[in-house]
Amino acid sequence: GAVVSQHPSRVICKSGTSVKIECRSLDFQATTMFWYRQFPKQSLMLMATSNEGSKATYEQGVEKDKFLINHASLTLSTLTVTSAHPEDSSFYICSAKNLGQGGYTEAFFGQGTRLTVV
Amino acid sequence: AQSVTQPDIHITVSEGASLELRCNYSYGATPYLFWYVQSPGQGLQLLLKYFSGDTLVQGIKGFEAEFKRSQSSFNLRKPSVHWSDAAEYFCAVESGGGADGLTFGKGTHLIIQP
Repeated sequence: GAVVSQHPSRVICKSGTSVKIECRSLDFQATTMFWYRQFPKQSLMLMATSNEGSKATYEQGVEKDKFLINHASLTLSTLTVTSAHPEDSSFYICSAKNLGQGGYTEAFFGQGTRLTVV
Repeated sequence: AQSVTQPDIHITVSEGASLELRCNYSYGATPYLFWYVQSPGQGLQLLLKYFSGDTLVQGIKGFEAEFKRSQSSFNLRKPSVHWSDAAEYFCAVESGGGADGLTFGKGTHLIIQP
């Protein structure tokens, strides 16, 4: 299957600072990327959907000014957690797919980023 | 809106015994269905998926799942579990359009006892 690389795998930051997480599709063009959040021992919740060159669409209850998503190229999307606080500590996972080929294509997941805000 | 229910939060199985993890979905049409496994602190690994066709799908690591439209179910099975199968298992559904993200169930934590 296709490869999606997420970086960093772990990050610790101080409260009030911003953190950027990268999601790259290594061997395909990702027209669409999804960002999920997973609290400890819970399921994955979709945060937002981003299409290359467009503004991201956020799920209800997700603060778009806190979680900035940029999808400026067909191989890279970034999630920036701004002014992070301890309650933002979580596991963030991205997935990517290419909707430009017609028909259905599945999404491929990155390995996730463990964010700890201290 | 689509939803996924995994009724078992924890399941304990003896090594070598058979396994069935339950998954029920709610969706207006035939969805695309997935099972993922997640080891502690790790990302997701796709076990298998169902799009259409044969309702019994084979996956990696000896897992299989059966799609039953009449029961809105997509249960995961394995005839003989190994200690390395201990992990969190997530069932997920995606709408047929493919432009939306996946909706995940809450997960089932599988414990393997010797």
